[in-house]
Amino acid sequence: IQMTQSPSSVSASVGDRVAITCRASQDISRWLAWYQQKPGKAPKLLISAASSLQSGVPSRFSGSGSGTDFTLTISSLQPEDFATYYCQQAKSFPLTFGGGTKVEIK
Amino acid sequence: QLQLQESGPGLLKPSETLSLTCTVSGGSISSSSDYWGWFRQPPGKGLEWIVSVYYSGSTYYNPSLKSRVTISVDSSKSQFSLKLSSVTAADTAVYYCARPGGQRANYGGLYYWGQGILVTVSS
Repeated sequence: IQMTQSPSSVSASVGDRVAITCRASQDISRWLAWYQQKPGKAPKLLISAASSLQSGVPSRFSGSGSGTDFTLTISSLQPEDFATYYCQQAKSFPLTFGGGTKVEIK
Repeated sequence: QLQLQESGPGLLKPSETLSLTCTVSGGSISSSSDYWGWFRQPPGKGLEWIVSVYYSGSTYYNPSLKSRVTISVDSSKSQFSLKLSSVTAADTAVYYCARPGGQRANYGGLYYWGQGILVTVSS
């Protein structure tokens, strides 16, 4: 299953609303996870089952979608949110990731 | 809280075999119905899944790496290990071990990660 993420990068300011999309090449129902990765660190799970926020993750992060189209939204970008975000399908092996979206400071 | 930590050589020559170990603490490697997996990330690039193993023994491989990958579990040491044979410069990457968990763990989100280990292949 191929995962296509867009955009590959986005420049935004603190307080902006940012949306990242992920498209699966076939129906994955809600088997979709979102990760945040900062330089030199392991990925951090933000959302699983397409829209379930992990404990401790700020509520400005939200996920939506099912089937083949998914979105990660950051409602009001904070300085600590500048990072790279990845989607991943967990429906079946081989597990696959999107190419990543780098959120940069404008 | 489950913790994972990778260990192994950081520098290899082409054609050698990469051997990494992931040590699990804070929980049992044999009690989970989830898989234990290896992932990698070449410098400046995205994440790639390598292999996953369930304690039952069921194993799933990335088709592009399957012929070179071996995974094993040693429950007495709470470790699982990765071997990747015939490495080339293209195998230079940060290697992570990871496992699903957290909220809605049954949906497979990878909640537990090691800190990663950089493996460089160079002559």
